[in-house]
Amino acid sequence: AQSVTQPDIHITVSEGASLELRCNYSYGATPYLFWYVQSPGQGLQLLLKYFSGDTLVQGIKGFEAEFKRSQSSFNLRKPSVHWSDAAEYFCAVGASFGNEKLTFGTGTRLTIIP
Amino acid sequence: DAGVTQSPTHLIKTRGQHVTLRCSPISGHKSVSWYQQVLGQGPQFIFQYYEKEERGRGNFPDRFSARQFPNYSSELNVNALLLGDSALYLCASSLPSGDTQYFGPGTRLTVL
Repeated sequence: AQSVTQPDIHITVSEGASLELRCNYSYGATPYLFWYVQSPGQGLQLLLKYFSGDTLVQGIKGFEAEFKRSQSSFNLRKPSVHWSDAAEYFCAVGASFGNEKLTFGTGTRLTIIP
Repeated sequence: DAGVTQSPTHLIKTRGQHVTLRCSPISGHKSVSWYQQVLGQGPQFIFQYYEKEERGRGNFPDRFSARQFPNYSSELNVNALLLGDSALYLCASSLPSGDTQYFGPGTRLTVL
């Protein structure tokens, strides 16, 4: 069975500082990996996804993530955060292309301080 | 283009009642999935429907059921509501090739 671990429940960073959110997955084959962001009371917005190819993927809002098979990780990064980045971030894994059951982590809440 | 829409936005029910939640996918999307997100947790997969047929079901009791209509919209039904059913219910749609799911804003269900 597939699973996702987001070790950090809550992270606080200063505006303009760099950010890295951790995600570790468990899946026997090549995973399909996603990062979604959720603002309070809202649905999920896709930031980026990895299916194959280049292990460094670029997303919206200046985010990027790197797939590291050896570490079973897919960490999300941003070089300089903005106050509007404050939200809940979810990493998710899908079993296969076209299999639309996503397994989500428990999320990381990001707080930005001025 | 309109995104995934869900109705109602909020709903309050009492234990034992029944509820129906509705979802309209993005135009051209034929697959709809439902997720339950309990406060403080990540979404959990409930159902996936494609071309009106159930393609997947998560670990939820039979009180949960769903269906998809010819226009690809979908309903999620929950019978005999329990306090623990209080959650944000998210609907997601995807193209037939199914690489990415796009989520709606959700329906917040409160069971008293």
